[in-house]
Formats: sequence, structure tokens, C-alpha cells
Amino acid sequence: DTAVSQTPKYLVTQMGNDKSIKCEQNLGHDTMYWYKQDSKKFLKIMFSYNNKELIINETVPNRFSPKSPDKAHLNLHINSLELGDSAVYFCASSQRYGGISTGELFFGEGSRLTVL
Amino acid sequence: AQKITQTQPGMFVQEKEAVTLDCTYDTSDPSYGLFWYKQPSSGEMIFLIYQGSYDQQNATEGRYSLNFQKARKSANLVISASQLGDSAMYFCAMLKTSYDKVIFGPGTSLSVIP
Repeated sequence: DTAVSQTPKYLVTQMGNDKSIKCEQNLGHDTMYWYKQDSKKFLKIMFSYNNKELIINETVPNRFSPKSPDKAHLNLHINSLELGDSAVYFCASSQRYGGISTGELFFGEGSRLTVL
Repeated sequence: AQKITQTQPGMFVQEKEAVTLDCTYDTSDPSYGLFWYKQPSSGEMIFLIYQGSYDQQNATEGRYSLNFQKARKSANLVISASQLGDSAMYFCAMLKTSYDKVIFGPGTSLSVIP
């Protein structure tokens, strides 16, 4: 059983299109994240949700809208895709103890988005 | 502002030798956590080791150890007895405990030479 799973793994699309990436974790974690890894391998946090509630939104354009229907799922919808959105998007989860995240991230395999 | 610095974009090490990957961090928070992750060419992110800011001893996990020097704000990763499978990108990361935010350094690409 995959702990954190993302779909799709690969996404190729045209500029201006809208696309979604889904993420599910079966670890029972309370906190989920989206990270973007650019072509230089730099990992940047985009969003963080704790038990369906948005807690971190890192100056990401409004075209990116995360949604967490329950604490096991965190989806990412991207409107009006641009060339600069091409990247690998990682979903991750972490556990909390006493209201504090352990910080140890369990990552999905990543979703490689290519915008043409 | 929090920041993670990894000054070695690329490193080479001979198989079976030890290697140190540098990481320095900047935070004013007294409570934080430091992590190292490995990303092989296949792309997955693998957790290696964790050090808490209040931990008195350096963390060790098998062939990995973390050389934590709090006053210098450094958290270097030491890999002993390098193996070919250690060739990968290595990321240093920091958790700001009060904010549930984990930020990453730019990474170091390690190549193990047979």
C-alpha cells in the first residue's frame, strides 16, 4: 500500500488549460502539503493544510487552488496554466503530536507537469 | 527570515570513503528541527535523519550521522562508507516548530565514484 499517492504522475498540457493533481495519504496524518520542485531542483512550499484547514499559503498565484475534502486528501487545481508552471509537484504529509508537527515529511512520488 | 544554505552544488566521493555535506541555517526561533532528505535520480524523496534543536547528542541512522553545531547554526550530514547507491541529490531542511513549515535548502548533488 502506497502511503502517499499522487495522480497523475505525468501531465502534459497546453498553455491556458486547467488541470488538477490529486493526493491521498493513508498514514492517518493530520497535515498535508504541496511543494513545487523547479528545473533547478529547488523545493518550495506552496500550501499546507491541517485537518482540512489551510494554514500556509506561500504567495502562490490565485490560479493555484488547493482543496482538502478530508484530512486524507489534498488536491491541487491550477487554472490558466503558464509555461512557468512546468515543474514537479510533490504532495507530502506529516504527523502532529501535541498540536505540533513532527516535521518529518512523507512524500508522494511527484507529479511532473509540462506546459507547452 | 529563515534560510537554509548548502554551499556545495556538487560533490564527488570515492566508493567506501566518508563524505560530509554542508548545511547552515538561519532562524531566530529557539525550537526547530533539522532534516536531511535524499532524492535519487528516480525522483522520490527519502527521509534520512532528524535533529531537534534541543537534542544534546548528534543524530545517527546507520551510515548517516548529523554533525550538529548549534552555535554555528550548522547541521552537516556525514555519510560513512559511501556506496554507489548514495549517488543522489541531498536536501537539508528545517522545520519552524511554531509554524508547521518545512523549508528546504538548494540541495547538493553527490556522485559516488567506483
